[in-house]
Amino acid sequence: GQSLEQPSEVTAVEGAIVQINCTYQTSGFYGLSWYQQHDGGAPTFLSYNGLDGLEETGRFSSFLSRSDSYGYLLLQELQMKDSASYFCAVRDRNAGNMLTFGGGTRLMVKP
Amino acid sequence: EPEVTQTPSHQVTQMGQEVILRCVPISNHLYFYWYRQILGQKVEFLVSFYNNEISEKSEIFDDQFSVERPDGSNFTLKIRSTKLEDSAMYFCASSRTGQGSEQYFGPGTRLTVT
Repeated sequence: GQSLEQPSEVTAVEGAIVQINCTYQTSGFYGLSWYQQHDGGAPTFLSYNGLDGLEETGRFSSFLSRSDSYGYLLLQELQMKDSASYFCAVRDRNAGNMLTFGGGTRLMVKP
Repeated sequence: EPEVTQTPSHQVTQMGQEVILRCVPISNHLYFYWYRQILGQKVEFLVSFYNNEISEKSEIFDDQFSVERPDGSNFTLKIRSTKLEDSAMYFCASSRTGQGSEQYFGPGTRLTVT
């Protein structure tokens, strides 16, 4: 099976940078994705890493180290609207197209 | 921008009743998924569907669950005899490829079983 660990909650101030870590265990790692979910909303795709290194998309970046089974999501220039839950999710090549989600990190951005 | 749609947004049903949750995936997507999220918990995979058949399913997706693509646009999840523990938000998702990295989620159907 697959398992993912991420912090349950992170607090930061507007304009700051925050990093949300994710460690995973899976037998046939294929890729790590990040999704954002506002309260009452649907998960929204943010980023995907299939290979080691950094992927940048505007204010958001995601990093992967396959040798460490570790990744992170970096959010820069935090805005109040970034307050949401952030989920890492893995795809395992032995499990087809399914995504296994972590427990989510609730980010609170304060003024 | 194309999006996944789901109906109804909220369904209340009595224990033991059958429910059908409906989804219209993005039109040029070929892979379809159902996930559920119990309030305050993580998103859990239920089933994936490709080429008119189930490609993967989780342990949650037991004989009480079924999926169907009755026509060229709709994708449905049926729960035959609902239980209290089926109360959750059910999300439909679709992706263009089978890579599974970027899945587009619908707004969800909140199912309440009483």
